[in-house]
Amino acid sequence: KQEVTQIPAALSVPEGENLVLNCSFTDSAIYNLQWFRQDPGKGLTSLLLIQSSQREQTSGRLNASLDKSSGRSTLYIAASQPGDSATYLCAVVQGGKLIFGQGTELSVKP
Amino acid sequence: EAGVAQSPRYKIIEKRQSVAFWCNPISGHATLYWYQQILGQGPKLLIQFQNNGVVDDSQLPKDRFSAERLKGVDSTLKIQPAKLEDSAVYLCASSLDGTEDTQYFGPGTRLTVL
Repeated sequence: KQEVTQIPAALSVPEGENLVLNCSFTDSAIYNLQWFRQDPGKGLTSLLLIQSSQREQTSGRLNASLDKSSGRSTLYIAASQPGDSATYLCAVVQGGKLIFGQGTELSVKP
Repeated sequence: EAGVAQSPRYKIIEKRQSVAFWCNPISGHATLYWYQQILGQGPKLLIQFQNNGVVDDSQLPKDRFSAERLKGVDSTLKIQPAKLEDSAVYLCASSLDGTEDTQYFGPGTRLTVL
């Protein structure tokens, strides 16, 4: 059974810092991996999607990597801003289903 | 393009009462999903529809939860009777055809059971 874990559960950084969020999964037979952002009271917004054959994807200040063999993904956020404060969720697609981690709650202090 | 719509946004009920949530997916999306997200956890799939048929309801507590998508468009999720542990955000998502493609999420309904 696929399990997705995110560490840390919460992270607080000062504005301007570069940071890394971690995601691990137990079964490497995934179709793709996605990173989502969730703001309080809002739904999920897709940030980046990495196909299983890819190693990384970039969008602006965000860079996500995927290492299927080790069952790990990282989300790198450069030059963090207070507007980046949110919960970040990773999810793997397997058998047509999204299987989520529990999320990392990020707080960026001005 | 309009996104996934859900209502109500918030609902507070007493335990053992009934409640229903409504979802309108993106126009033309064949696949509709209902997720339950308990505070501090990631969303968990409850049920997946392809048009008006159920593809997967293996994690739906069928003794108290039911869902339907009668005309292959809107969907309703019902809880009867509600328990304290049902307090969560209920998210609806839709995708074009469900074959590993991108899911688009609605804002969710936050349910509090007292």
